[in-house]
Amino acid sequence: GAVVSQHPSWVICKSGTSVKIECRSLDFQATTMFWYRQFPKQSLMLMATSNEGSKATYEQGVEKDKFLINHASLTLSTLTVTSAHPEDSSFYICSARGRNEQFFGPGTRLTVL
Amino acid sequence: QKEVEQNSGPLSVPEGAIASLNCTYSDRGSQSFFWYRQYSGKSPELIMFIYSNGDKEDGRFTAQLNKASQYVSLLIRDSQPSDSATYLCAVKPGRGSTLGRLYFGRGTQLTVWP
Repeated sequence: GAVVSQHPSWVICKSGTSVKIECRSLDFQATTMFWYRQFPKQSLMLMATSNEGSKATYEQGVEKDKFLINHASLTLSTLTVTSAHPEDSSFYICSARGRNEQFFGPGTRLTVL
Repeated sequence: QKEVEQNSGPLSVPEGAIASLNCTYSDRGSQSFFWYRQYSGKSPELIMFIYSNGDKEDGRFTAQLNKASQYVSLLIRDSQPSDSATYLCAVKPGRGSTLGRLYFGRGTQLTVWP
């Protein structure tokens, strides 16, 4: 399957700071990428759909000003968690759309102190 | 509303047995169906996809699709302890959805005991 990377794999930050997470498709071009969040022992929750060259589409209840998404190229999408708070601590996972499937990155574990 | 339902489990089977995981979906126009495996603390990994009615086999895994019943299943033969994970069913709807978006079930936790 296709390879999707995420960076960083984990991050610890202080409350009120911003954190940027990168998602890259390494061996294919992805016009569409997806950002998910997963709390412990819960299911995947889609946060937003990231489209190259256009604004992201956010799911209901997800604050677009808090979770900034940029899809600047066909291989890179970034998620910035602005003014992070402890309740934002979670496992953030991106995926890239291939021909028909979605391929997931390894995830980023965010801990906000 | 595009819903994907899975029996949440946990499902526990002995090593060497067949594990059967089930999934139903609400959108009759759904086109593509996927099974992902997620180990604890890791991201989902695609293990099978199926587009047409019937069975699709890949090694120890068999995906079964019945569009008339809106039902998709995953069979794992000769289950191994390393198969212990949460299995996510995902459905790509027909029209009227974000391009490429998948709808996920909540997952079935499988434990294979030696």
